[in-house]
Amino acid sequence: AQTVTQSQPEMSVQEAETVTLSCTYDTSENNYYLFWYKQPPSRQMILVIRQEAYKQQNATENRFSVNFQKAAKSFSLKISDSQLGDTAMYFCAFMKHRGSGGSNYKLTFGKGTLLTVNP
Amino acid sequence: KAGVTQTPRYLIKTRGQQVTLSCSPISGHRSVSWYQQTPGQGLQFLFEYFSETQRNKGNFPGRFSGRQFSNSRSEMNVSTLELGDSALYLCASSFGQLDPGELFFGEGSRLTVL
Repeated sequence: AQTVTQSQPEMSVQEAETVTLSCTYDTSENNYYLFWYKQPPSRQMILVIRQEAYKQQNATENRFSVNFQKAAKSFSLKISDSQLGDTAMYFCAFMKHRGSGGSNYKLTFGKGTLLTVNP
Repeated sequence: KAGVTQTPRYLIKTRGQQVTLSCSPISGHRSVSWYQQTPGQGLQFLFEYFSETQRNKGNFPGRFSGRQFSNSRSEMNVSTLELGDSALYLCASSFGQLDPGELFFGEGSRLTVL
């Protein structure tokens, strides 16, 4: 079974600054996917960024980037130029690769980090 | 394009009752997954349906069940409600055949058990 750990229950950052959210995971799988999801106060979960474990290059999406360290099983999210709209709960999540067959549409989530961006 | 729609958004039940929650996926999506979100346990996977078949199931008691209809709409049912079933129940839809699939979440159904 997989586990995902987010050690920072809450964080805050000033608008326009950079913040990094931590995530570690444990798995015996070699191929898998990692995600960061954002859940704003309205509660609809939105995908922020995705990383394939077999890709060494770290994923980036505009102001969001990840630092993926496969050997250390670490997957942190960096938010640059923080905006008030980034205030939300952020979840790190794991999904197995389909390689072994069957459905892999099952996300294992961390407990989340509540990020507050202050003006 | 309409997003994932969950109904009802809020509901209050008493212990021992049962509840049915509904999820309408994004048009064209054939996979529907359900998650339970609580402050203590976080987000936990309940089950996933694809083309009316349950493909994956989480570690929940048999009181939790679901189904999917031919139009991909899904329902989940919780029987003999317990206080601990109070939670936000999230539904997510996806095409169901891509790897990995991107899941699109609804706003959830907030269940309170008294």
